[in-house]
Amino acid sequence: QKEVEQDPGPLSVPEGAIVSLNCTYSNSAFQYFMWYRQYSRKGPELLMYTYSSGNKEDGRFTAQVDKSSKYISLFIRDSQPSDSATYLCAMMGTGGFKTIFGAGTRLFVKA
Amino acid sequence: DTGVSQNPRHKITKRGQNVTFRCDPISEHNRLYWYRQTLGQGPEFLTYFQNEAQLEKSRLLSDRFSAERPKGSFSTLEIQRTEQGDSAMYLCASSFQDRDRTSGSFADTQYFGPGTRLTVL
Repeated sequence: QKEVEQDPGPLSVPEGAIVSLNCTYSNSAFQYFMWYRQYSRKGPELLMYTYSSGNKEDGRFTAQVDKSSKYISLFIRDSQPSDSATYLCAMMGTGGFKTIFGAGTRLFVKA
Repeated sequence: DTGVSQNPRHKITKRGQNVTFRCDPISEHNRLYWYRQTLGQGPEFLTYFQNEAQLEKSRLLSDRFSAERPKGSFSTLEIQRTEQGDSAMYLCASSFQDRDRTSGSFADTQYFGPGTRLTVL
């Protein structure tokens, strides 16, 4: 079993839809949770990070962490065609800086 | 451009040859990471540096791989005796500690370069 599980998709939604992206994890030592966006043939770009449980909002993006369920989510409101990309969740513990990534979910937003 | 840069962007080599990649981090960042990414997968951690010290290495980093960060600035990743299974995108990231305003704790905010795509024939 992988430490971080993420549905690879693809996920296809119409423009303006609310998108929900999720990851589950098995290592209870993870404390920092991040979401990255990666366009084709580019490096990942950090969208948001959260520490421990709770919600964090930044513009159209909301990140949620539920440590009791070992489950994290990223919500995108009013999705745009420019949001079409691969979304990667990533996690880190407090004992070092080794970061574990999910496999990524490919998102297509149709105009 | 003040972001992370990587060179070369593409490298094609024959099996058995040695290759070296370079990463120039954002100037004020003291941590530097190397990752490997294959098609349809997320980045896999290889190693990271704090300043010039290499603090952690993945077991994925076999003895054919070596990374250096002299003087805590740019870093190089060398692969000796390349194999076809080494074909991948090699990503570099640099980071600084960012204080989370809600929790007061420190998080490590990593910024990635564009990657070097290696093809081993």
